[in-house]
Amino acid sequence: GESVGLHLPTLSVQEGDNSIINCAYSNSASDYFIWYKQESGKGPQFIIDIRSNMDKRQGQRVTVLLNKTVKHLSLQIAATQPGDSAVYFCAERGGSQGNLIFGKGTKLSVKP
Amino acid sequence: GAVVSQHPSRVICKSGTSVKIECRSLDFQATTMFWYRQFPKQSLMLMATSNEGSKATYEQGVEKDKFLINHASLTLSTLTVTSAHPEDSSFYICSGSRGDDGYTFGSGTRLTVV
Repeated sequence: GESVGLHLPTLSVQEGDNSIINCAYSNSASDYFIWYKQESGKGPQFIIDIRSNMDKRQGQRVTVLLNKTVKHLSLQIAATQPGDSAVYFCAERGGSQGNLIFGKGTKLSVKP
Repeated sequence: GAVVSQHPSRVICKSGTSVKIECRSLDFQATTMFWYRQFPKQSLMLMATSNEGSKATYEQGVEKDKFLINHASLTLSTLTVTSAHPEDSSFYICSGSRGDDGYTFGSGTRLTVV
């Protein structure tokens, strides 16, 4: 189903630390997952994706882990920088129209 | 990479008027355009899905006569908010897809109805 929340969970980290952002997805039939970064007043920006036949994928400073058993996704950001401060959304391709369904979002705040 | 150009980025309109939002895929053909709405501190919610040359499919609770979607070509889709009211104030975002794993988002339109 769709995810709606009145308050965004917030993760506050120190610059240079690693960040882990978690997400629970809704549709066990979803075959493709994406993490997006959204800065204030802007559209979502692609970070990394993973297919359902994988459980881990690495990019530059980012890693996505997929646990289909419990329908859980996580995004790990290494050596977090102030420029990483934004809201992060997970999205699953599980909608009836082939659309992405977005998670609630987590606000990442990086302290210099 | 693939780019979707969305205009306007911000618009303020009077209650009762209509507003058109355009999304153009600049370097790919978007066979499908998804339209999302995002209220402050909330997630993106799908409003409708349009395929080129077909009528849009609207999500439950979204009024098709109020949110008119046109997808007449593979590079242009428009959303018109008709008879806008303050409760329609929101951030509207389009996303173009070629049918593969690519979902390219526009930069969003902040609509304020006064």
